[in-house]
Amino acid sequence: LAKTTQPISMDSYEGQEVNITCSHNNIATNDYITWYQQFPSQGPRFIIQGYKTKVTNEVASLFIPADRKSSTLSLPRVSLSDTAVYYCLVGDGGWNAGNMLTFGGGTRLMVKP
Amino acid sequence: EAGVAQSPRYKIIEKRQSVAFWCNPISGHATLYWYQQILGQGPKLLIQFQNNGVVDDSQLPKDRFSAERLKGVDSTLKIQPAKLEDSAVYLCASSLERDVLNYGYTFGSGTRLTVV
Repeated sequence: LAKTTQPISMDSYEGQEVNITCSHNNIATNDYITWYQQFPSQGPRFIIQGYKTKVTNEVASLFIPADRKSSTLSLPRVSLSDTAVYYCLVGDGGWNAGNMLTFGGGTRLMVKP
Repeated sequence: EAGVAQSPRYKIIEKRQSVAFWCNPISGHATLYWYQQILGQGPKLLIQFQNNGVVDDSQLPKDRFSAERLKGVDSTLKIQPAKLEDSAVYLCASSLERDVLNYGYTFGSGTRLTVV
């Protein structure tokens, strides 16, 4: 399973754009990159998943360079409610039974007023 | 759509006692996972079911942990006997294969276990 490295913590202010970068040097050809968000006392929540280039949904954007050895989660105009732990995961996304996602330590994002 | 239901929400037991957690996944989700999350760490996969069969339980401490999903729907995770280091949040998640690329796994809120 490809291992991921991401910053332990980040601080930001309301209204700013936040970019969290994840390194995954050993990503396999059929691996997807997935990001989850976790609030205290809740289970992780799926944010976005991508394979290459750029993916955007109503919550975030995911930028993946051509070599796919890293990825960046971009949160536009964060609010206090975006304070959470963000996990970067690499795997086949659970597409095939028998493959599961492995969580690392995550990045603790603190959004300040 | 109802989410993944877990109970109890909290449990406090003494070491060497037994405890069981229950999970009801989203209707129609064939794949079910149990994760253990120790405070300050990311979730660690314990076991994965596909319908009522075990797909992977390589990280399940089988000397004290057991899990079952008899009818391919609800699942229970049991610890017997519990140790202090089992204090953690136990998360259940489910997924639908055809939707997993767009929607990922859906997690429940977990059961917080404290072993004293």
